[in-house]
Parts: sequence; structure tokens; C-alpha cells
Amino acid sequence: DAMVIQNPRYQVTQFGKPVTLSCSQTLNHNVMYWYQQKSSQAPKLLFHYYDKDFNNEADTPDNFQSRRPNTSFCFLDIRSPGLGDAAMYLCATSRGAVLAGVETQYFGPGTRLLVL
Amino acid sequence: GNSVTQMEGPVTLSEEAFLTINCTYTATGYPSLFWYVQYPGEGLQLLLKATKADDKGSNKGFEATYRKETTSFHLEKGSVQVSDSAVYFCALSDRKGGSEKLVFGKGTKLTVNP
Repeated sequence: DAMVIQNPRYQVTQFGKPVTLSCSQTLNHNVMYWYQQKSSQAPKLLFHYYDKDFNNEADTPDNFQSRRPNTSFCFLDIRSPGLGDAAMYLCATSRGAVLAGVETQYFGPGTRLLVL
Repeated sequence: GNSVTQMEGPVTLSEEAFLTINCTYTATGYPSLFWYVQYPGEGLQLLLKATKADDKGSNKGFEATYRKETTSFHLEKGSVQVSDSAVYFCALSDRKGGSEKLVFGKGTKLTVNP
């Protein structure tokens, strides 16, 4: 029944140690998004993929990278996590229809990252 | 740029009270508007949406009407329950090409006491 799956739900890493968060979807959607949500703040879009096309937000630090090897999977790589990168990371998908019509984004449960 | 402003929380109500959470937006063109809900420890779930002026979105007793003249999309519920305790986010869509970027407000935490 799950549509957007994020593993693990909780991830602990060390300062400066690369970490990868994963997201998978069973909706066959064209678009996959990664958001960062810090405590008591709004989710902030980091980047998204439309199919294989990568779209980075202007203010996303270079420390954050992403890979989408196929339609179903998308990864968030943090090359050198700092203490300020501790947050909830949310993956979302949308159909990405070219024709007009409102797009609904479907969110996963999130991965909470702790940096020690 | 596009932005969303929500009323500051937290909001604390007793069960069966009336709820209003204010949301106004600034946007070029006519975006779609959304309310998302986030229960403790979980991701966001779409609560309701409206795509054009005067549209009313509704779900689970919650309603919001897209008001172009006041650029608002206030969330209302006539009688809240303890299970409605969550953080509520107002958002607008910013479509670029085939994909849609959501711009969120800061969220309003609602606590409903029995």
C-alpha cells in the first residue's frame, strides 16, 4: 500500500562522514523532490528530478547531491554533514503531467538525520 | 518571489471548538493553493486543495476557499477533535515546466485538548 517509501526513518551519522538517504516510489511518477525540514520550520526544497533532468535550487549548498538511477529510486547524498544539516529530509513525488491541471505532491514519512 | 504567510502558532483549543488558521499569499499569476497536515513524527499529507478563484477545498470536515480578492486561503473546521492535533502548512504551487514547486508557510501547530 505504501506509495513513497523512505529508509531508514532515523539515520545517525558523524560530522564529516558521507551519508546517503534513499527514497522509492510505487506511483511511477515522473517527478521526485527532496525537501529539508528543520525543527519547527517549513519544508525547504533542495532539488528535484523531472525524469532524468536534475533541477537544483539556487540556494542549495554544494554539499548536497542527488542521484536518480531509475524512475522508482532517488537518493540524497550529503558529502560532508555538518551539525547544521541535522533535520528531517522529506521525499515527495508528483505525476509531472505536461498538460494543465494541478499537481499533487505525495510525501514519504521522512528520514530524521542526526549528526554527531 | 512567491510567498505564503500563515498565522503564528501555537493554537490550543478544546475539543469541539471552531478552528480558523489564516493564510495569505503573494504570487504572480494564479497558483494552486494547498493545505498540508503533518502529524507528530510523520511526513506531510495533503489535506485539501483549490485550483482557482472561489474554489472550495474540503476534506475530513476541514474547508478552505480560494479568495483572489484578498489573496487568502484560510483553513476552517467547525468542531475540532483531539486527533486533529498536528502542524498545518499552507502552500502554493509554482509551476515550472512540467513540475510543480511548492512554497510553504511556516506552519501552525494545533493542539486540541479533551
